[in-house]
Amino acid sequence: DAGVIQSPRHEVTEMGQEVTLRCKPISGHNSLFWYRQTMMRGLELLIYFNNNVPIDDSGMPEDRFSAKMPNASFSTLKIQPSEPRDSAVYFCASSLKGLAQSYNEQFFGPGTRLTVL
Amino acid sequence: AQKITQTQPGMFVQEKEAVTLDCTYDTSDPSYGLFWYKQPSSGEMIFLIYQGSYDQQNATEGRYSLNFQKARKSANLVISASQLGDSAMYFCAMREGLHNFNKFYFGSGTKLNVKP
Repeated sequence: DAGVIQSPRHEVTEMGQEVTLRCKPISGHNSLFWYRQTMMRGLELLIYFNNNVPIDDSGMPEDRFSAKMPNASFSTLKIQPSEPRDSAVYFCASSLKGLAQSYNEQFFGPGTRLTVL
Repeated sequence: AQKITQTQPGMFVQEKEAVTLDCTYDTSDPSYGLFWYKQPSSGEMIFLIYQGSYDQQNATEGRYSLNFQKARKSANLVISASQLGDSAMYFCAMREGLHNFNKFYFGSGTKLNVKP
């Protein structure tokens, strides 16, 4: 089992550039989550998908952020244009959607450390 | 209101002693799941333990146990016999019932330092 795969692991870009982060969830998982983690704000849920459909994007900070999940095995988070305050670690996680009390934990990817200069 | 509250930003514990990390949650849904994750300095998020709202017994996983007090809406993590490798950030999380479509809520975390 390869786990959740994220790429790139590190990204350094200049302000104004477009950034695309990629995620491959665990095969068979039908929920996918994008989080952002910073020292100041902690772990924030940006958006999540069930069965490839965006369910809640209320955490997406601005229109500069967009996320897609064209199929069950791939998702992207895009920032256009990027700004220095977007610098953070971005995590992708996946899980099985089931009963809330069921033992379906989230599996996290290793994260992408984004630095916007 | 915060869904998950972790009131201890940082804690110290002596190696080999037990430590309790606090977590309270807020939900009106009878169906929910509670999770604890560990994030070491290397950055990955590691699942530790789970408790379902209908579980009658407290969850245990090796040195980890979850002190589940449903009436008080608390789900404290107990680490017994602390080890230096337990030094990390610990996050409490909750997944609510069906109407929230599998959304997870995370607390702000507790940074645990284990002293030799």
